[in-house]
Amino acid sequence: EAGVAQSPRYKIIEKRQSVAFWCNPISGHATLYWYQQILGQGPKLLIQFQNNGVVDDSQLPKDRFSAERLKGVDSTLKIQPAKLEDSAVYLCASSAGQGASTDTQYFGPGTRLTVL
Amino acid sequence: GENVEQHPSTLSVQEGDSAVIKCTYSDSASNYFPWYKQELGKGPQLIIDIRSNVGEKKDQRIAVTLNKTAKHFSLHITETQPEDSAVYFCAAVSRNTGRRALTFGSGTRLQVQP
Repeated sequence: EAGVAQSPRYKIIEKRQSVAFWCNPISGHATLYWYQQILGQGPKLLIQFQNNGVVDDSQLPKDRFSAERLKGVDSTLKIQPAKLEDSAVYLCASSAGQGASTDTQYFGPGTRLTVL
Repeated sequence: GENVEQHPSTLSVQEGDSAVIKCTYSDSASNYFPWYKQELGKGPQLIIDIRSNVGEKKDQRIAVTLNKTAKHFSLHITETQPEDSAVYFCAAVSRNTGRRALTFGSGTRLQVQP
């Protein structure tokens, strides 16, 4: 079974530029998550989708971050404009269930973003 | 919301020794507690998990214990090997809200000295 795919793996941009990340979850997984992991910390949720609907985006900085999951499969996360503090690894995860608390989440390799 | 604290932040052991990492959580409605291993440049990988209706779970050299009354859970690695060196994260999920996101601890960097 193929894992969660993410691209690009690395991205370096200037502050105030825009950037987009892509995630393809494990086939058939209904729930998709985007996490932000700042160096030396645990991942923190940005947004959770169930199929193509948003379940939780309470921690997404909506003035600069946006995300979509068209057709309930792959997803894109965008930052516009980027700030220095957005430098982090952006992790995508997926789970098979319809959002039960005990569903196992599988993570992709992440995209490392550096904002200069 | 849920808050997870993890200790120690770094742990160095000799190959063959045991390693123990401890976490506490705040939300009594949390019912799922996974542990992830993250190697440099990679995403977190699930190594073991435990649900709130179970007190202990073991998988070869790895075991997890859960004390719901005290709201803490621990990861035990026996007979450590150099390839166990990585950052380990505990996490918790609450059944109380629609959110199913993991709340992670701050991580433990485990170094196994050959």
